[in-house]
Amino acid sequence: ETGVTQSPTHLIKTRGQQVTLRCSSQSGHNTVSWYQQALGQGPQFIFQYYREEENGRGNFPPRFSGLQFPNYSSELNVNALELDDSALYLCASSLVDRALEQYFGPGTRLTVT
Amino acid sequence: AQKITQTQPGMFVQEKEAVTLDCTYDTSDQSYGLFWYKQPSSGEMIFLIYQGSYDEQNATEGRYSLNFQKARKSANLVISASQLGDSAMYFCAMRSNFGNEKLTFGTGTRLTIIP
Repeated sequence: ETGVTQSPTHLIKTRGQQVTLRCSSQSGHNTVSWYQQALGQGPQFIFQYYREEENGRGNFPPRFSGLQFPNYSSELNVNALELDDSALYLCASSLVDRALEQYFGPGTRLTVT
Repeated sequence: AQKITQTQPGMFVQEKEAVTLDCTYDTSDQSYGLFWYKQPSSGEMIFLIYQGSYDEQNATEGRYSLNFQKARKSANLVISASQLGDSAMYFCAMRSNFGNEKLTFGTGTRLTIIP
């Protein structure tokens, strides 16, 4: 196990609703990245947080937002859910400049109906 | 922009045989890193091996080795003496050494080891 935990494990939401996914980083890691993995695809980078500030963003609309807390845990918020948001959401934690030690959590599987 | 291409959607390999998973990449960066991850059905991405763009020798980690051919922009993963537990999705990924540390992934190869 990597020490990165995510909650919940599974989630079912209705189109138009809002969802919050949570990630608890490996102890001491100050950087967290979020990825979306649609079925049959590789993970796509959503954004990264370093010391509570967004530090890069992929090609995702503003309704995808995030937070990183002083204890380095993190949230991913998605507003106005769409059917295409159904995916596995992965978070990965690391120390800045030490990306070889980037550890992934088990993911949250979100289904939007 | 970075791009990873994995052309093998699925592979079947007999137990104890070696297997090569293909990966080609495209980037305009001079300094970058290449990664391979294993994703079992549980969903967690497990880091296997890393190759830096300036590393002259191919990376090895136990039964895993990375066949790095920079001129061809390929970074194939070789698994020697395959085991039943190797059955999983395998993703090739790359990261620029400039800017944030985002990983760009390919579409993956599903490897099935046959007893």
